[in-house]
Amino acid sequence: AQSVTQLGSHVSVSEGALVLLRCNYSSSVPPYLFWYVQYPNQGLQLLLKYTSAATLVKGINGFEAEFKKSETSFHLTKPSAHMSDAAEYFCAVSEGGSNYKLTFGKGTLLTVNP
Amino acid sequence: DAGVIQSPRHEVTEMGQEVTLRCKPISGHDYLFWYRQTMMRGLELLIYFNNNVPIDDSGMPEDRFSAKMPNASFSTLKIQPSEPRDSAVYFCASSSIRTVYNEQFFGPGTRLTVL
Repeated sequence: AQSVTQLGSHVSVSEGALVLLRCNYSSSVPPYLFWYVQYPNQGLQLLLKYTSAATLVKGINGFEAEFKKSETSFHLTKPSAHMSDAAEYFCAVSEGGSNYKLTFGKGTLLTVNP
Repeated sequence: DAGVIQSPRHEVTEMGQEVTLRCKPISGHDYLFWYRQTMMRGLELLIYFNNNVPIDDSGMPEDRFSAKMPNASFSTLKIQPSEPRDSAVYFCASSSIRTVYNEQFFGPGTRLTVL
């Protein structure tokens, strides 16, 4: 069975500061990993995905994530936070192949202070 | 592409009433997922379909919940009778075997309030 743990349900940073949102996963097979973002009163949008092509994945809006197999981690980072980054972020894992289910973490709410 | 379409966006009903949520997936997608999001439980997968056939309904909370997909462009999630604890945001998402990496595209959600 696959699972996702997001450390920290709420992260607060200052505008211009580094954003680091943590995600650890467990999977019995090499996983596909995703980060989704949810802005208030909206659905989830895909930020980026890891599909085994490269360990450092770049996504939209300046976000990137690094897959570390030895640490079973897929942390999301952005060098400089912007006010518009305030949202909830979800890490998700899929086993791929014929298994189309995504297992989501509980989410991390990012607050950006001026 | 219009994206995944859900209706209604907001629904307020009284306990005991029947509620029907609707979803139109992205054209050409052959997987459809229903999720429920609450503060307490986060994002939960309720059921998903492949080519209009239910594949996994293990997340459906109880017999009051039912989902159908009569054709490739339409699905419903019905709650009968509704209870206050069903209050949540319900999301529909779709995906395609051609996406390869199982990426799902989400609709805007239906916010359900049961009084």
